[in-house]
Amino acid sequence: AQSVTQLDSHVSVSEGTPVLLRCNYSSSYSPSLFWYVQHPNKGLQLLLKYTSAATLVKGINGFEAEFKKSETSFHLTKPSAHMSDAAEYFCVVSAYSGAGSYQLTFGKGTKLSVIP
Amino acid sequence: EAQVTQNPRYLITVTGKKLTVTCSQNMNHEYMSWYRQDPGLGLRQIYYSMNVEVTDKGDVPEGYKVSRKEKRNFPLILESPSPNQTSLYFCASSLSAGSDTQYFGPGTRLTVL
Repeated sequence: AQSVTQLDSHVSVSEGTPVLLRCNYSSSYSPSLFWYVQHPNKGLQLLLKYTSAATLVKGINGFEAEFKKSETSFHLTKPSAHMSDAAEYFCVVSAYSGAGSYQLTFGKGTKLSVIP
Repeated sequence: EAQVTQNPRYLITVTGKKLTVTCSQNMNHEYMSWYRQDPGLGLRQIYYSMNVEVTDKGDVPEGYKVSRKEKRNFPLILESPSPNQTSLYFCASSLSAGSDTQYFGPGTRLTVL
């Protein structure tokens, strides 16, 4: 069994200040971890992913995330928020679920607001 | 252009009237899945398919059916829709499951009256 917990349903930051979106996970197997972004009335787009290589992962638009196995966390950060970053962000875990299958589980999402 | 397409994009229907939402991908992906998105609940997986003729239940399969007769298509069937199936639905595909990036369709907004 696996689960994902996004610790904040809503985060508000001022433009130019750092962004931190928190994600904890649990998984019986070694997981792959993803962050996706959804802009209003749009589909989902991959920001970055961790697949057991480097623990610090760099993604698009200046975002990065660090995989910390001991803390079972995969927090998303950006040094300086831009107005265009306002969107909903989803943390996703993918892990082996037995009988040759993999299952994906999404967090409930964190809505990021950027104040001018 | 590599893409996942869904049809229809918007659908209003009545309780009990069978409907099908189509999903097609042109990337030769093996893994396909369906999600529903509801406010405050994120995306929940309905069904997924590891390959042709192989489908498995996700987290919320009740009231839905799927089939995977061809690699590119993965239709979602609601045999007797109910108002609690009013939601935004996304189809997604990836080269395989596990560590591969999911490519999402544009979404289908379904309202069941």
